[in-house]
Amino acid sequence: QSVLTQPPSASGTPGQRVTISCSGSSSNIGNRNVNWYQQVPGTAPKLLIYKNNQRPSGVPDRFSGSKSGTSASLAISGLHSDDEADYYCAAWDESLNGVVFGGGTKVTVL
Amino acid sequence: QVKLVESGGGVVQPERSLRLSCAASGFTFSNDAMHWVRQAPGKGLEWVAVIWYDGSEKYYEDSVKGRFTISRDNSKNILFLQMNSLRVEDTALYYCTRDPSGSGWAFASWGQGTLVTVSS
Repeated sequence: QSVLTQPPSASGTPGQRVTISCSGSSSNIGNRNVNWYQQVPGTAPKLLIYKNNQRPSGVPDRFSGSKSGTSASLAISGLHSDDEADYYCAAWDESLNGVVFGGGTKVTVL
Repeated sequence: QVKLVESGGGVVQPERSLRLSCAASGFTFSNDAMHWVRQAPGKGLEWVAVIWYDGSEKYYEDSVKGRFTISRDNSKNILFLQMNSLRVEDTALYYCTRDPSGSGWAFASWGQGTLVTVSS
């Protein structure tokens, strides 16, 4: 049971927009930055979004993040076949004194 | 470019110990906090431990507290994870990650991982 809650799966056709939610509490998302990671099967995760909505250099602007209260979202617009991957949200938790992850969302491009 | 190379994984019996290492290069190691993150086979990501840039503070995930110790050698740019009293449920791919100052606890760089298998 993950501290942050994500839907297990999401899907869309090429070109569509897909949104992934991440729900937490006041001890994590509510008072801390949210970061998002992309993991293509068989490879190490990659930082996609940091500090809620910032993109590291090299990450396409098709990826965007937002946060409101104790929830956050990752949006992928103009879905590509190579966006098929697992996506994880994460944040520092002040009560646990550690980083907590969501359970991950598997994105499938139909 | 930033490079993180983990080593030290292997097959070990329950209750035995293992020491993981992570050799860092391509950035100023002594400026950044460092973390270990693990992933059990077919499962999601799980944070394990963090050490401050100067080693002054360390925090652990509850299930490894008292068994695992994170440390670093800033003179050699190496991160360690000493794992004692290993359990079957510690079986996972262990990643070393870099957390640049000001990134908001973001794991900006990841190694390729080292596999730890705990089995009798």
